[in-house]
Amino acid sequence: EPEVTQTPSHQVTQMGQEVILRCVPISNHLYFYWYRQILGQKVEFLVSFYNNEISEKSEIFDDQFSVERPDGSNFTLKIRSTKLEDSAMYFCASSEAPLQGPEAFFGQGTRLTVV
Amino acid sequence: QKEVEQNSGPLSVPEGAIASLNCTYSDRGSQSFFWYRQYSGKSPELIMFIYSNGDKEDGRFTAQLNKASQYVSLLIRDSQPSDSATYLCAVNVAGANNLFFGTGTRLTVIP
Repeated sequence: EPEVTQTPSHQVTQMGQEVILRCVPISNHLYFYWYRQILGQKVEFLVSFYNNEISEKSEIFDDQFSVERPDGSNFTLKIRSTKLEDSAMYFCASSEAPLQGPEAFFGQGTRLTVV
Repeated sequence: QKEVEQNSGPLSVPEGAIASLNCTYSDRGSQSFFWYRQYSGKSPELIMFIYSNGDKEDGRFTAQLNKASQYVSLLIRDSQPSDSATYLCAVNVAGANNLFFGTGTRLTVIP
């Protein structure tokens, strides 16, 4: 069964450092997303991406965040200068079509710990 | 602010019983509704989605949607201990390509 894969599964970084979280969406999917979940809190939308550009972003997705599809398979989330409050589980998701239609499938997540 | 509200629980049911999970949402423009299951430390896993008023059944799961009341629910029949997890309600608003999640309801099925 096709799945969204994320690497690494766990990343520890020092405050102020840059991190890149990687995702390989399902191959025939065209819409890509990043969500995050701070421990014990709700899953929060960060950004959606389609046709090589951001289609929507939340207030959380400020200038410290960026996304990129550097090749035909990977989808990355970069945090330029990490803060303690960026510690969370980051989920990548992909869908065949916009969410008005079929559902989004989530990867297993990257646990980011900022120390 | 788009709100999706769920009772955080925990909800405990005996094995074999029906578990009923409820969700309300604030935005009347919401058009697609999703139930995800999340085991501790794991990613959300889609169980069901529903777009139209009424019931939608898939195996032991039934999603119910009432747009007039802005209410969506999930029934789990013949609950199993493996159903013990947090159940997340998520909503998509028309014109938006993202999901708004509730905080989830933690379900425990007691053997």
